Amino acid sequence: DAGVTQSPTHLIKTRGQQVTLRCSPKSGHDTVSWYQQALGQGPQFIFQYYEEEERQRGNFPDRFSGHQFPNYSSELNVNALLLGDSALYLCASSRGTLLRSDTQYFGPGTRLTVL
Amino acid sequence: AQSVTQLGSHVSVSEGALVLLRCNYSSSVPPYLFWYVQYPNQGLQLLLKYTSAATLVKGINGFEAEFKKSETSFHLTKPSAHMSDAAEYFCAVSLKGSQGNLIFGKGTKLSVKP
Repeated sequence: DAGVTQSPTHLIKTRGQQVTLRCSPKSGHDTVSWYQQALGQGPQFIFQYYEEEERQRGNFPDRFSGHQFPNYSSELNVNALLLGDSALYLCASSRGTLLRSDTQYFGPGTRLTVL
Repeated sequence: AQSVTQLGSHVSVSEGALVLLRCNYSSSVPPYLFWYVQYPNQGLQLLLKYTSAATLVKGINGFEAEFKKSETSFHLTKPSAHMSDAAEYFCAVSLKGSQGNLIFGKGTKLSVKP
């Protein structure tokens, strides 16, 4: 049973560029959430996708956008990159049962460095 | 508003010693609480979660945590540390009105000395 997978593992971009990160959820999961983990910090919730729509959003600017495909995989797009966007981006999947008790399963993350 | 405070950004114990990692929460509704572990260059792995059933929750790798409403705490313990426990540990609370999305503490890095 494959867990949550993310690609690429590492990415280096320059300020002002755009980036796309990809995530495939755990088998049987239909909900994908994205988190940003800056160095030395805990993860921060960016947004969640369910049934190909953004269901919830954290306190992140519109430069951060996403998409979910019919096979439940997801993309995170960040436009006009800033140095402060350098972080580990984590994808988490869960079942769409709409319960606060749901467990989220995390992928290994994509390390983004903005120069 | 929900929040999580982890006391101590770095904890060091000897192998075989008790592990105690502290977590206090703030929540306007009964909280759902989680402990995750992150090994170097890896994602997060769920250790255990509290969802209003038993207040003493047992997790993987010999860890357990006790929910204490009066103290608004959810401390993580393990009776005897192993070298393989060295990692970063995150306490998290599930957002009110959310579908499982989490607010994390800043994490506690656990070092285990031989």
